Amino acid sequence: NAGVTQTPKFRILKIGQSMTLQCTQDMNHNYMYWYRQDPGMGLKLIYYSVGAGITDKGEVPNGYNVSRSTTEDFPLRLELAAPSQTSVYFCASSYSQGAEQYFGPGTRLTVT
Amino acid sequence: QQQVKQSPQSLIVQKGGISIINCAYENTAFDYFPWYQQFPGKGPALLIAIRPDVSEKKEGRFTISFNKSAKQFSLHIMDSQPGDSATYFCAATQRGGADGLTFGKGTHLIIQP
Repeated sequence: NAGVTQTPKFRILKIGQSMTLQCTQDMNHNYMYWYRQDPGMGLKLIYYSVGAGITDKGEVPNGYNVSRSTTEDFPLRLELAAPSQTSVYFCASSYSQGAEQYFGPGTRLTVT
Repeated sequence: QQQVKQSPQSLIVQKGGISIINCAYENTAFDYFPWYQQFPGKGPALLIAIRPDVSEKKEGRFTISFNKSAKQFSLHIMDSQPGDSATYFCAATQRGGADGLTFGKGTHLIIQP
């Protein structure tokens, strides 16, 4: 089992560019999450999904979009990158709400 | 609105000492309280978790103490070791909901040899 995998590990974007952060899990988890981590701020929930075809906004969804066409994949899309989106992004999955969340290794994104 | 407040922001403990990190929450609907450990360049990993029907849970050197009436919970690391040096996050969620974990801001723990 690879667990939760994320690509890329690092990325530098120019303001206004777009990109997709990939997330895949092989644990057959229904629940998947995207968090961003800023220094000294903990992790904040961007979007989550309770199953294929179902997504919902978290605490900080502005500037992002997600889709969930399969159980395994939960990509995060940045349409018009802004410096405020410079952060480390973590994808996580869990069997159910209130169960352990397994985190990927993260994607460090810099927008300049 | 920060629903989980964590303190201290940073902590230095001598090897063999006890590390204590505290968290307080506001939402009385929260009913699952995990602690995550994060090493530099890695994603957070679950360390230990508690549900509000017990006041304490112990796993090896790690103990969670939970005070439902005060809406507080804490992590105690006994016999702290240099390998425990990491950032620790408390979190909370509602099992009946679906909207992920609410995290504290983290505590950077350094264990001095």
